[in-house]
Parts: sequence; C-alpha cells; structure tokens
Amino acid sequence: AQSVAQPEDQVNVAEGNPLTVKCTYSVSGNPYLFWYVQYPNRGLQFLLKYITGDNLVKGSYGFEAEFNKSQTSFHLKKPSALVSDSALYFCAVRDWGNTPLVFGKGTRLSVIA
Amino acid sequence: DGGITQSPKYLFRKEGQNVTLSCEQNLNHDAMYWYRQDPGQGLRLIYYSQIVNDFQKGDIAEGYSVSREKKESFPLTVTSAQKNPTAFYLCASSPGQENHNEQFFGPGTRLTVL
Repeated sequence: AQSVAQPEDQVNVAEGNPLTVKCTYSVSGNPYLFWYVQYPNRGLQFLLKYITGDNLVKGSYGFEAEFNKSQTSFHLKKPSALVSDSALYFCAVRDWGNTPLVFGKGTRLSVIA
Repeated sequence: DGGITQSPKYLFRKEGQNVTLSCEQNLNHDAMYWYRQDPGQGLRLIYYSQIVNDFQKGDIAEGYSVSREKKESFPLTVTSAQKNPTAFYLCASSPGQENHNEQFFGPGTRLTVL
C-alpha cells in the first residue's frame, strides 16, 4: 500500500531564510508525487508534481521540490521564505492509474518577520 | 468561471439528522473524490468515483453515502450513523485515467454537529 510521511508537524523559519518541508513516501511501483498548500478554511491548492525526468521540479510561488529515489523523499523547498508562505502543506502520492491521492498529515509552516 | 463549488460553506446539524453536502464541477473531469479533514490527521478518503454511476468506498466510508448520477455532481450524505461527523469536508476532481493528473479541490464545507 502506498503511504506518505511528513515527519514535522510544524516548521518555523525567519523571513528571507530558505525553507524545507520534508516528505518521504512508500509505493510498490513508480511514484507520482504532489505538493499542495492550504490556507485557513480554504481548499487545497496544487503547487507542483513529480512524474518522471528531472529530479528538481519547479512549481508555483517560487517553490521547488527535489525527488530522491534512493532516500524515497520529495522535500519541498524555497530559497527565500515570505510571511505569506505561512500555511499548511501537504505531500501526496499515487503509484498507478487514476486512483485517489494518498496524503500525509500535513506540516504547518510559520514564517516569522 | 471554471472550477469546483461546494455548498454550503458552513453547515450545522442536530444529532440524529442526515445532511447532504453538495459538490459540483464544470471542469469536465471524470473522477471525483470526498475527503474529510480533522486537525492533525491530514486528509482521509471517504468515497471516490472514477465514472458516472460508479463509486468506491475509501478508508472511512462508514456512516456516509454518495451518488454519481451526473458527471458534474457528486453529493455526499452524512448519515446519523456517522458517530463523529464534525469536520471539514473537501471535494476534489481530476481528469481522465492518467496517473500523473493532480486533483483539483473545492473550497470545503465545515460541518458542525450540535
């Protein structure tokens, strides 16, 4: 069965510093990996996805993620954090077909001015 | 204006009552999904449908029911059998059968049982 782990419930970063939100996954086949962001009382917004090819994926709002097959990780990164990046971030995985995404429990990012 | 709409945004229900949450999409997507979100538990799958007139149970289907009579609509009924229904409910959709498609989410419905 496929699964996702987000080991940190909360990440605190100073504005202007780089940020990393961690995600590891477990699938039986090739992984398709996704990152979403959620602001309070809103739905999830898609940030980026890894399908195949280049291990560094660029997405919306200056975010990027690095796929590492040997470490089964897909960490979300941004070179310089903004206060407006403060939100709840979800990593998700799918290994075949159009089956539902399996989500991690989420990591709350707090960027402090 | 394309997208997914969920209504109502806030819903209050008395114990013992059934309630139906609406989800409509005009994206011409084949697949639709219902998730439940509780603090600290992430998103848990309730039901999903990959095609009209067909749906499958997710991880926490007990106490819930769905229908998929039209491609655009996937309503969720929270029955009185659901023991702890207070939560934030999210509907999503995705196109086709390809495994690389992301899911698009609606704005959510917050259900509170009084």
